[in-house]
Amino acid sequence: QVQVVQSGAEVKKPGASVKVSCKASGYTFTTYDINWVRQATGQGLEWMGWMNPSSGNTGYAQKFQGRVTMTRNTSISTAYMELSSLGSEDTAVYYCARMYYYDTSGYLYYTMDVWGQGTTVTVSS
Amino acid sequence: DIQMTQSPSSLSASVGDRVTITCRASQTISSYLNWYQQKPGKAPKLLIFAASSLHSGVPSRFSGSGSGTHFTLTISSLQPEDFATYSCQQSYSTPYTFGQGTKLEIK
Repeated sequence: QVQVVQSGAEVKKPGASVKVSCKASGYTFTTYDINWVRQATGQGLEWMGWMNPSSGNTGYAQKFQGRVTMTRNTSISTAYMELSSLGSEDTAVYYCARMYYYDTSGYLYYTMDVWGQGTTVTVSS
Repeated sequence: DIQMTQSPSSLSASVGDRVTITCRASQTISSYLNWYQQKPGKAPKLLIFAASSLHSGVPSRFSGSGSGTHFTLTISSLQPEDFATYSCQQSYSTPYTFGQGTKLEIK
C-alpha cells in the first residue's frame, strides 16, 4: 500500500540541527511532491515547505527560510528535512506528506493525501 | 500569507447530531480548500478536497461547501469515530496555511 514512514523521535539541544527522514513506498517516489508540516503540542498544523523529488526543487515558508533544507535520495525513495539553529519553539511533531493533485476540468487541486506517522522533535538543554 | 480562521474552536455534540464547522480565508481562494480530520496522537487524514469533493473512502455523511472566502464542513449524523479535530487548509498559494482547528467533543 501507499505509505510514507518517518524516522524516530529526536532530542536535541538548543542551537543544534535535526534531520528527519521520510521513506516512501507503494508508489513512484518521483511523481509527487513531498510536503513537511509541523505541529506543536496543542497547536494547529504549520506548513514548512515542499520538495519535488524528481528535480530536487524546493519551496520554503518564509518563517523557515535560511534554517530549513529539504533534500532527497531517489535511489532509496527517501526525503529529508533538516532544521538548524533549533530553539525550544521548534519542539513539535514533524510530518511529511505526499502532495497529490486532483485534475478537475483542467484545474489542479493539491492535497496532502498520505501522511507519515510523525516524528517528535524535542529541543531541551 | 493567506490567513485561515475556523469557528468554533471547539464544539460539543452527541452521536446522531448534525454539525457544521466554518472556515474563512483572509482573501479569495476560489475552491482551493481541503479539510482534514486528526485524532489524538495520529497524523491528519484528508477528508475533502476542492471545497466539496469527497476523498476516496470517506463516508458520505461528510460534506463540504463554499467558495471564495467562506467554507463549511458538515457531518450529517455524528458517529462515535467522528469525535476528533478538524482543520481546513488552503491550497491556492504557498505557504499552504491551515486553520487553527476545531475540536469536536462528545456531549
